[in-house]
Amino acid sequence: NAGVMQNPRHLVRRRGQEARLRCSPMKGHSHVYWYRQLPEEGLKFMVYLQKENIIDESGMPKERFSAEFPKEGPSILRIQQVVRGDSAAYFCASSPLTGSTGELFFGEGSRLTVL
Amino acid sequence: AQSVTQLDSQVPVFEEAPVELRCNYSSSVSVYLFWYVQYPNQGLQLLLKYLSGSTLVKGINGFEAEFNKSQTSFHLRKPSVHISDTAEYFCAVSDGNSNYQLIWGAGTKLIIKP
Repeated sequence: NAGVMQNPRHLVRRRGQEARLRCSPMKGHSHVYWYRQLPEEGLKFMVYLQKENIIDESGMPKERFSAEFPKEGPSILRIQQVVRGDSAAYFCASSPLTGSTGELFFGEGSRLTVL
Repeated sequence: AQSVTQLDSQVPVFEEAPVELRCNYSSSVSVYLFWYVQYPNQGLQLLLKYLSGSTLVKGINGFEAEFNKSQTSFHLRKPSVHISDTAEYFCAVSDGNSNYQLIWGAGTKLIIKP
């Protein structure tokens, strides 16, 4: 399966712990996007990255959240000192190009539960 | 600010019956409109999109949607559903400036009853 791969699919953390979510884009895609879906809400854009660069982080919370897309390896969304409100599904998408109409290809999502 | 409303969180329908999933958006500017589908244990995938031209858009798996500018709606329809259509369907809107800064609806779960 050459689709967007996210892991872990499910993650449980206690308040104050760190959560790391990984995303490997589709082969040949150099644009990666992270979205968060809170219960009963639509997806919300968080951050757009290319290799070694953050292009748009306008949707990222100012504290505790960070993202990277290194030259080698998957993109990582890191949440430090998690709180119950961080419980959500986190989706990663990739695309081969950007622009106003480029299709996004999504992973299955990582579901974070904070106890 | 733009918003997208999917009026039904769940839609149960019998197999081979028609279905309509409703989507309304609020925007004062021209928009691009999308429907994505998430099958169980899979990622979201693009079902269809409206960029310009004909207001009736055909997508994969027999789905179609009609853009109605006066009613600011983009309802998704299928004349006869199959058990394999069981999924969650998401409507999304873009103001055309980027392909990733989409405004998303909360999703509608389509439940097919045998």
